[in-house]
Amino acid sequence: DTAVSQTPKYLVTQMGNDKSIKCEQNLGHDTMYWYKQDSKKFLKIMFSYNNKELIINETVPNRFSPKSPDKAHLNLHINSLELGDSAVYFCASSQPRTSSGNTIYFGEGSWLTVV
Amino acid sequence: LAKTTQPISMDSYEGQEVNITCSHNNIATNDYITWYQQFPSQGPRFIIQGYKTKVTNEVASLFIPADRKSSTLSLPRVSLSDTAVYYCLVGGSNSGYALNFGKGTSLLVTP
Repeated sequence: DTAVSQTPKYLVTQMGNDKSIKCEQNLGHDTMYWYKQDSKKFLKIMFSYNNKELIINETVPNRFSPKSPDKAHLNLHINSLELGDSAVYFCASSQPRTSSGNTIYFGEGSWLTVV
Repeated sequence: LAKTTQPISMDSYEGQEVNITCSHNNIATNDYITWYQQFPSQGPRFIIQGYKTKVTNEVASLFIPADRKSSTLSLPRVSLSDTAVYYCLVGGSNSGYALNFGKGTSLLVTP
């Protein structure tokens, strides 16, 4: 009964390749996110979608393109992979509420290694 | 967005109570305080959330003083399995929901 699931869990690929990471949530949330956690362990927001619409797009190279076919899915496509893209990518979802803040539910992460 | 400051690391022995304090001097009126826990090789997991005073659940307690400029996550009688990184986030509907987690506090529990 995984709430936020993402695939693949591990991905090793060569520089210059294009790869995708898929994410699905079964929590009925309207908002989904992609986070990147680098080797220094900072966990930074990359993108946020609300009901399939992009609402947050942090300073991320345009080689990264999120796609949300429906509000339960948010996939991340990365073109022309570079060594610096090696990191753990977390998908997440939440249902922000004025009365109770924002609790974010994370997937297990996708470990991307670019060689 | 309210900036948060928390210790980089803490050490504790098994069975002790651990208190991790987070400073958030510019917290906004509508902001909530949320703590997450991250084990190695896993995504962060929600622990507890509060607005003021004290909140307690089966995992932890959260103490928030009247001025709300800080909060303390209290883990009673920690075990080895509580070794993790703990993140404090502050945000709400008006100030923007806090989304960047920073580096958190790395807690090491030893026998």
